[in-house]
Amino acid sequence: GENVEQHPSTLSVQEGDSAVIKCTYSDSASNYFPWYKQELGKGPQLIIDIRSNVGEKKDQRIAVTLNKTAKHFSLHITETQPEDSAVYFCAASIPGGYQKVTFGTGTKLQVIP
Amino acid sequence: NAGVTQTPKFQVLKTGQSMTLQCAQDMNHNSMYWYRQDPGMGLRLIYYSASEGTTDKGEVPNGYNVSRLNKREFSLRLESAAPSQTSVYFCASSATKFQGASEKLFFGSGTQLSVL
Repeated sequence: GENVEQHPSTLSVQEGDSAVIKCTYSDSASNYFPWYKQELGKGPQLIIDIRSNVGEKKDQRIAVTLNKTAKHFSLHITETQPEDSAVYFCAASIPGGYQKVTFGTGTKLQVIP
Repeated sequence: NAGVTQTPKFQVLKTGQSMTLQCAQDMNHNSMYWYRQDPGMGLRLIYYSASEGTTDKGEVPNGYNVSRLNKREFSLRLESAAPSQTSVYFCASSATKFQGASEKLFFGSGTQLSVL
């Protein structure tokens, strides 16, 4: 089955700096790569996603890049703010009758004011 | 619009006790899921229901049972709780391609379960 590895497990940055979280996946059949943000005491919430036919996607301060050849994808957060502090999960999804989503192990991001 | 609602939010059980976690969604989604979240292990799929009337095992189904009561509700049952089932449980739902929507998962706020 699919295996998703995520690094780093924890990340501390100064407010205003950039943060980068990296993931690799194993199954070349995966074609959808979402990123979820989980704030303390809440469920994960989708923040951005990318499909396998796209190399990069941006949404304000957040961007995701995908390298299909190398099977890795990354989340970039620019101009970080304290409210960006949370746990971030990458995931890879294989097409099917339901969401065959495999999650990474999560990155705890701390933005220091 | 409440989205995905889970109950209870917290629960403490003794080894061997049983309990049912409840989940309901009001988005008319076909698919529903139960995940468990453990430190350093991300989210792992326990069971899923691709559509009303069907259920199937995920990655870690042992010790659990599920019921898709109707399109809105999907419950998770622990028949004889074990300390290894101490975890945070999340219910999620998604539309399907037949509903013309994306693969986005909508999560509930979770149930923190401790088994002593």
